[in-house]
Amino acid sequence: EIVLTQSPGTLSLSPGESATLSCRASRSVSNTYLAWYQQKLGLSPRLLIYGASSRATGIPDRFSGSGSGTDFTLTISRLEPEDFAVYYCQQYGNSPITFGQGTRLEIK
Amino acid sequence: EVQLLESGGGLVQPGGSLRLSCADSGFTFSNYGMTWVRQAPGKGLEWVSAISNSGGSTYYADSVKGRFTISRDNSKRTLYLQLDSLRVEDTAVYYCAKATGWPPIRSYFDNWGQGTLLTVSS
Repeated sequence: EIVLTQSPGTLSLSPGESATLSCRASRSVSNTYLAWYQQKLGLSPRLLIYGASSRATGIPDRFSGSGSGTDFTLTISRLEPEDFAVYYCQQYGNSPITFGQGTRLEIK
Repeated sequence: EVQLLESGGGLVQPGGSLRLSCADSGFTFSNYGMTWVRQAPGKGLEWVSAISNSGGSTYYADSVKGRFTISRDNSKRTLYLQLDSLRVEDTAVYYCAKATGWPPIRSYFDNWGQGTLLTVSS
């Protein structure tokens, strides 16, 4: 199975700053089938990005995704207070589906 | 608006069984594959199982293969997960989610339920 490693484990930033989250795959993700989710404490995950770079419905344009092969990035520009949460990447190009271990974005 | 509502979680002893349900409202249930994803307390997300829109194809993570059974009743707009031979390590919040692609094993998930907690403990 493809192992996804997210870094950093925790990212401490202030509102207004930009965040760069990394997701590295143990081998190439087919068709850039890579998604990103946001999860706030006590809530279910919310889809942000699919196909490595396509924003899901209703997601603000300050969220952007990029990458291909084994290296993917989620960038959040102009952080808002509601953006502080845990972020997970997921690959769906190879069976079984796997998730990264998550990056916690916390307020500095 | 798509709404998924899980139910059926609770406290079960190791070796026991339980059935989780996920009821849909707000979309054409029979058109979409569905999946179960779990999250152990304080941990990350783990894909568990998926099923095609018709129910004819099912998929499982190795960790649950042979113990869990996914099914659906499109007339009732409901997804199920039968959990047998439960282990302490199955303790988690179980989420159902709507798959966007075909097959559902090659899919991301655009709508999630609120989750139901299963605790396996003696």
